[in-house]
Amino acid sequence: EVQLVESGGGLVQPGRSLTLSCTVSGFTVGDYYMTWVRQVPGKGLEWVGVIRNKATGGTTEYAASVKDRFTISRDDSKSIAYLQINSLKTDDTALYYCTKENWGRFEDWGQGTLVAVSS
Amino acid sequence: EIVMTQSPATLSVSPGERVTLSCRASQSVGSKLNWYQQKPGQAPRLLIYGASTRATGIPARFSGSGSGTDFTLTVSSLQSEDFAVYYCQQFNNWPRTFGQGTKVEIK
Repeated sequence: EVQLVESGGGLVQPGRSLTLSCTVSGFTVGDYYMTWVRQVPGKGLEWVGVIRNKATGGTTEYAASVKDRFTISRDDSKSIAYLQINSLKTDDTALYYCTKENWGRFEDWGQGTLVAVSS
Repeated sequence: EIVMTQSPATLSVSPGERVTLSCRASQSVGSKLNWYQQKPGQAPRLLIYGASTRATGIPARFSGSGSGTDFTLTVSSLQSEDFAVYYCQQFNNWPRTFGQGTKVEIK
């Protein structure tokens, strides 16, 4: 059974940093792109960024709105993908999902981890 | 970036009705278009990929069509469990982008 479990969210002050983790099981994470999507409660889905698998270079792409502050990485040996968020803003308050991307489609999703940015 | 526009924002329908949701891209995405369903408190679920292929386990009452800039998701006979928000998403270009969603609610 494919499972993705996000962790690391919480209440954080503006300007601080946070690293979210996505621990996967049921598939070989190294074979797939791993994508992060966020959702402000009650609003729509926003694509955040992706890390390609090692076979295609392991490179990243980001939404313009987060490009200078967000970093996605992966540790295939631990079956974990990470999302590091620096200089947190109140606008970053959202539920953050990780997804398994297969040829452009987000096949499997975690349940999300909530990040709340407030002083 | 490619802007995805869904219409209508909200659709009020009765169970058993046929429902058609629209998604328009600001430039051609070919057939690189997916549809997702999201119910309250749940993660999105992939319904349709490549504009018209149903994902694993998705009932046949869901169908997708279109190419280029105009796409449609059709539910042939709406069931009670289909009341949800539906999103389209393009994967032709970076960044990937989602539509703003269409909420299908009970009339």
